[in-house]
Amino acid sequence: DVVMTQSPLSLPVTLGQPASISCRSSQSLVYSDGNTYLNWFQQRPGQSPRRLIYKVSNRDSGVPDRFSGSGSGTDFTLKISRVEAEDVGVYYCMQGAHWPPTFGQGTKVEI
Amino acid sequence: QVQLVQSGAEVKKPGASVKVSCKASGYTFTNYAIHWVRQAPGQSLEWVGWINTGNGNTKYSENFQGRVTITRDTSASTAYMELSSLRSEDTAVFFCARDPSGSYDYWGQGTLVTVSS
Repeated sequence: DVVMTQSPLSLPVTLGQPASISCRSSQSLVYSDGNTYLNWFQQRPGQSPRRLIYKVSNRDSGVPDRFSGSGSGTDFTLKISRVEAEDVGVYYCMQGAHWPPTFGQGTKVEI
Repeated sequence: QVQLVQSGAEVKKPGASVKVSCKASGYTFTNYAIHWVRQAPGQSLEWVGWINTGNGNTKYSENFQGRVTITRDTSASTAYMELSSLRSEDTAVFFCARDPSGSYDYWGQGTLVTVSS
């Protein structure tokens, strides 16, 4: 299985300041169709995960533009340009390029 | 709007089985696969299995092989996940999620399954 490794696992942040989460995969996430199936999810306390980013850098509808995704191959990053209070939660990267789909351990973002 | 609505919380004894449903609305059910994901208390997300809602083909995680069965009823736009031989370590929230291709764009609200004697 593809191992997804996130860092840090805990991220204390300051409101209004930037934040960054890294995700590394044990294999390239470039699929045979040329797409890279790396996704980012946010899970607020007591809620279901919510997709923020798909295929590395595509933001979902309704996701604030302070969230951005980047990277290629095996190294990926989620950035929050200016953290707001509602961003508290756990963030997961997930790969959909290889069976079975696998998730990172999660990064807890707290103020 | 797209919605996935799951059945309610369950409490089961060790050795029993549980069947969780996931009713889809707001889109053509057979156009998207459904995956099931488990989240144990305080833990990350773990893939359980997948069903092609069009033809009924399934794939399961090796971690659940032999204990999990995923089915669907296209007339009811509903997917089901049944887990048997429950043990305390299976206590978790189970989510269904829609797969547009290599991702999960909509999730159910989750179903808490508690295994306790």
